[in-house]
Amino acid sequence: DTGVSQDPRHKITKRGQNVTFRCDPISEHNRLYWYRQTLGQGPEFLTYFQNEAQLEKSRLLSDRFSAERPKGSFSTLEIQRTEQGDSAMYLCASSLGAGVQHFGDGTRLSIL
Amino acid sequence: SQQGEEDPQALSIQEGENATMNCSYKTSINNLQWYRQNSGRGLVHLILIRSNEREKHSGRLRVTLDTSKKSSSLLITASRAADTASYFCATDEGSNYKLTFGKGTLLTVNP
Repeated sequence: DTGVSQDPRHKITKRGQNVTFRCDPISEHNRLYWYRQTLGQGPEFLTYFQNEAQLEKSRLLSDRFSAERPKGSFSTLEIQRTEQGDSAMYLCASSLGAGVQHFGDGTRLSIL
Repeated sequence: SQQGEEDPQALSIQEGENATMNCSYKTSINNLQWYRQNSGRGLVHLILIRSNEREKHSGRLRVTLDTSKKSSSLLITASRAADTASYFCATDEGSNYKLTFGKGTLLTVNP
């Protein structure tokens, strides 16, 4: 049983650039979640999918953010026109229904 | 917004001692969970306690839940250096999908 996989682990980019992160959930899990964690804080919910449908988006997810989960398998999170405040760890989690959420090791984004 | 608040923010103990961390929350919940996070890594699920449960054990972990006080505690017995990590409580705020985390307790276990 492989866990949740996220790629890349680290991303350094210049302000104003677009970035895309990928998450591969545990294979039989139908739910997929994105969270953001800044230094010294706990993770904050961004959005979640049940199969391919995006069912909830936090107000933290501005218009510059978009998430997709085509075919209900892997998911991508794109940030357009990155800003300094986007620097954070982006965590993906998956679950079978409303069961325990299993987290990946995250993508750490640094904006120069 | 962050619902849970862990206390203390940081805790330093010697190997073999017990570590107790507390969590308070604000709204009604279906369950409360504890996660561990090693530096630079993702979160690892430790234990889940349902709102109708008062105490739960898993190995060296003991979790209590007091819904009247909206608080929970996590006890790690006979701590080891490998227990050094941040510990977070997470509540569901009555939803069945979104977790709300506190700021965490940074536990350091000195050999």
